[in-house]
Amino acid sequence: NAGVTQTPKFQVLKTGQSMTLQCAQDMNHEYMSWYRQDPGMGLRLIHYSVGAGITDQGEVPNGYNVSRSTTEDFPLRLLSAAPSQTSVYFCASSSGQGAYEQYFGPGTRLTVT
Amino acid sequence: SQQGEEDPQALSIQEGENATMNCSYKTSINNLQWYRQNSGRGLVHLILIRSNEREKHSGRLRVTLDTSKKSSSLLITASRAADTASYFCATDAEYGQNFVFGPGTRLSVLP
Repeated sequence: NAGVTQTPKFQVLKTGQSMTLQCAQDMNHEYMSWYRQDPGMGLRLIHYSVGAGITDQGEVPNGYNVSRSTTEDFPLRLLSAAPSQTSVYFCASSSGQGAYEQYFGPGTRLTVT
Repeated sequence: SQQGEEDPQALSIQEGENATMNCSYKTSINNLQWYRQNSGRGLVHLILIRSNEREKHSGRLRVTLDTSKKSSSLLITASRAADTASYFCATDAEYGQNFVFGPGTRLSVLP
């Protein structure tokens, strides 16, 4: 199993550009989520999905879109990048919400200039 | 908003010593998890403790939970240089059953 994979590993964007961060898992997990990690802030939940076709907002959803057309994939779209979106982004998956271990991808380091 | 807050923010110890990190949270929880993050990597799950449990062990790790004090502790015994990492607690009170992470404790184990 590859686990949770994320691409790209690094990305530099100019303000106003859009892009999609890719996330895939091969563990047949129903629950997937996106977090951003900023220094001294821990991880903050952006969006999550409890299954294909179902998504919901987390703590910091503004400026981001998600979709879940398959169980395996959960892309995160930045609509119009802003310097405040400079961060490290992590995708995670688990068998369900609640008392389940989350498996994290290696992260995407995004810089917006 | 942060549900969990780890203490201390940073901890430096010698190899072989024990390391203790604490997590305090604000509202009642169902579950609490501890994760480790090595520099530049994703988080790795260490242990989950439910609100009706008081202590759990996994290898050199010991986690306690005191729901009356709204706090948890992670003890790493006989630490090794490879334990150098950031450690995060996550609680599931807010946003339904989604977990909320604290800012973490940076542990340095010196050889």
